[in-house]
Amino acid sequence: QVQLQESGPGLVKPSQTLSLTCTVSGGSISSGSYYWSWFRQPAGKGLEWIGRVYTSGSTNYNPSLKSRVTISVDTSKNQFSLRLSSVTASDTAMYYCCSGYYYRGDSWGQGTLVTVSS
Amino acid sequence: ESVLTQSPGTLSLSPGERATLSCRASQSVSSSYLAWYQQKAGQAPRLLIYGASSRATGIPDRFSGSGSGTDFTLTISRLEPEDFAVYYCQQYGSSPGTFGQGTKVEIK
Repeated sequence: QVQLQESGPGLVKPSQTLSLTCTVSGGSISSGSYYWSWFRQPAGKGLEWIGRVYTSGSTNYNPSLKSRVTISVDTSKNQFSLRLSSVTASDTAMYYCCSGYYYRGDSWGQGTLVTVSS
Repeated sequence: ESVLTQSPGTLSLSPGERATLSCRASQSVSSSYLAWYQQKAGQAPRLLIYGASSRATGIPDRFSGSGSGTDFTLTISRLEPEDFAVYYCQQYGSSPGTFGQGTKVEIK
């Protein structure tokens, strides 16, 4: 199984754009038939699927976030990224990157906490 | 969008006992694309079961999943100390891959 590691700022100001990167190791992001996904989890709450990208670059997003989300893949760096615009306090959460089939997470990164605050 | 409802919210059991967790979907889950995850405090979720009944790699056989359509069950045959955690179900066959609210299995 591949390993995944999230990175990015832990603090984002309201109305700004949250940007996270997931680095994949132990395998090529271009091989296999995995989707590369982002999930999030506010403290003490449940899990939410944000969106996914395939190695071809095709994407799918949660309709509740679609207007603010962009997920992209950089096969040369074995990375994929999340951008979430116009953030508010309700976007404060632990963000996880994952690999998996369909809309599920087979392998998970350890997560990175993003706080939206001025 | 399918809404998943898990019950009970909390299950208080002793090590060695059997745990039965329920997940009910508001719409039929296509092709039994139903997964179960385990999440321990401060850790990322871990995939336990996919396809309603297939164990993920490395998952002990005390974990089993069953069900189809709208009703699914996760059973832990004999609870080990490391099994006390929160468990989530997820339908992953259609966007947006919705989760249940979780069942906490705690030590009695």
